[in-house]
Amino acid sequence: EVQLVESGGGLVQPGGSLRLSCAASGFTFSSYWMSWVRQAPGKGLEWVANIKQDGSEKYYVDSVKGRFTISRDNAKNSLYLQMNSLRAEDTAVYYCARDAVGQLVDYYYYGMDVWGQGTTVTVSS
Amino acid sequence: DIQMTQSPSSVSASVGDRVTITCRASQGISSWLAWYQQKPGKAPKLLIYAASSLQSGVPSRFSGSGSGTDFTLTISSLQPEDFATYYCQQANSFPSRGITFGPGTKVDIK
Repeated sequence: EVQLVESGGGLVQPGGSLRLSCAASGFTFSSYWMSWVRQAPGKGLEWVANIKQDGSEKYYVDSVKGRFTISRDNAKNSLYLQMNSLRAEDTAVYYCARDAVGQLVDYYYYGMDVWGQGTTVTVSS
Repeated sequence: DIQMTQSPSSVSASVGDRVTITCRASQGISSWLAWYQQKPGKAPKLLIYAASSLQSGVPSRFSGSGSGTDFTLTISSLQPEDFATYYCQQANSFPSRGITFGPGTKVDIK
């Protein structure tokens, strides 16, 4: 079964750090771009970051640049999100998702076709 | 950055109704648009990709259309399990320009 399972969420004080993990199974993890997407309480979806199959390219939404770092360990079939200098506005459910991407000369994006169940991050004093 | 809008923000409908949701991009995105369904407390589910391609396993009552800046998601005959929030998502110029979701449209029971 294709599956993504997030972990590492919790309560953290403003300015603190947290590392989220996402364990992949049932597919060739090293063949896929991967993303983190978050959802603040009662709000919509916000893409946070993504990473290329070999980790050589990483992209972030402006609001987390310089504070969050996405990484992966293909040997462990795992995706990570290191979150530093956390703010109250980072409070959200964080999902990892598999990006369905094709490539010839250019990239062809076919959506996020597998999602984890989410892990909750609460930033509060 | 490309901004996405959706209309309506919410719609009340009955089982069997035809429901249409509109998504508009602030600039042309060709056909790089996906639609997701999310139920409360659950992860989103991919319904449509590349504006009009049905994801495997998704019922054929769901369809997508459009290109450029204007897109629609249509549910031809609303079923009880379709009451949910629907999001559009653009990924034009992937990966360097990021990914943006629309604000969502909630479909609830009339």
